[in-house]
Amino acid sequence: DSGVTQTPKHLITATGQRVTLRCSPRSGDLSVYWYQQSLDQGLQFLIQYYNGEERAKGNILERFSAQQFPDLHSELNLSSLELGDSALYFCASSVGTGTASYEQYFGPGTRLTVT
Amino acid sequence: AQKVTQAQTEISVVEKEDVTLDCVYETRDTTYYLFWYKQPPSGELVFLIRRNSFDEQNEISGRYSWNFQKSTSSFNFTITASQVVDSAVYFCALSEAQAGGTSYGKLTFGQGTILTVHP
Repeated sequence: DSGVTQTPKHLITATGQRVTLRCSPRSGDLSVYWYQQSLDQGLQFLIQYYNGEERAKGNILERFSAQQFPDLHSELNLSSLELGDSALYFCASSVGTGTASYEQYFGPGTRLTVT
Repeated sequence: AQKVTQAQTEISVVEKEDVTLDCVYETRDTTYYLFWYKQPPSGELVFLIRRNSFDEQNEISGRYSWNFQKSTSSFNFTITASQVVDSAVYFCALSEAQAGGTSYGKLTFGQGTILTVHP
């Protein structure tokens, strides 16, 4: 158990809908990262937050947004869902920011299926 | 841009065989970090090791060992005396430590190597 929690574990929804994925980092970790794992794209970095502020953006679609709250949990919002958004979404957390030296611990993931 | 290549898509071995998973990376930075993660059938990503670009010492942890060679931009992973429980997808990842840059620790992953260990 990495100490990172994600809810829900599974999510099935229809095209055009909007969903929210939730992540709680390990105790003491200030950085939260979101990744998407799909068969065709592999594991891709989406976005990072540190202590409530956005710090880095990857290949995140405009239909997707995220935020980190004062209690450090983070939410990833996916809207106008398409079939291609079906994937496993991971949240990871690490102690610090501004440096890549802190290993990232991953949550169990949320498997999103868009039908 | 940084890139990680794991040329072996799938490897199949019989229990107790040694197996090496290859990882080749590309980066323009002199300071960077390399990682290996394991993704068992249950789906979670498990951190195995982190290596910084200034430390080329090989590392051994039980049946696992890692060989980092800057000259060939490789960070290979060897499992000695493999076991069925080692069956998983293994990912190599790279992160650049750019002070003042925009790469704040995001990981760039390889495509992964599926390792199947048969009894």
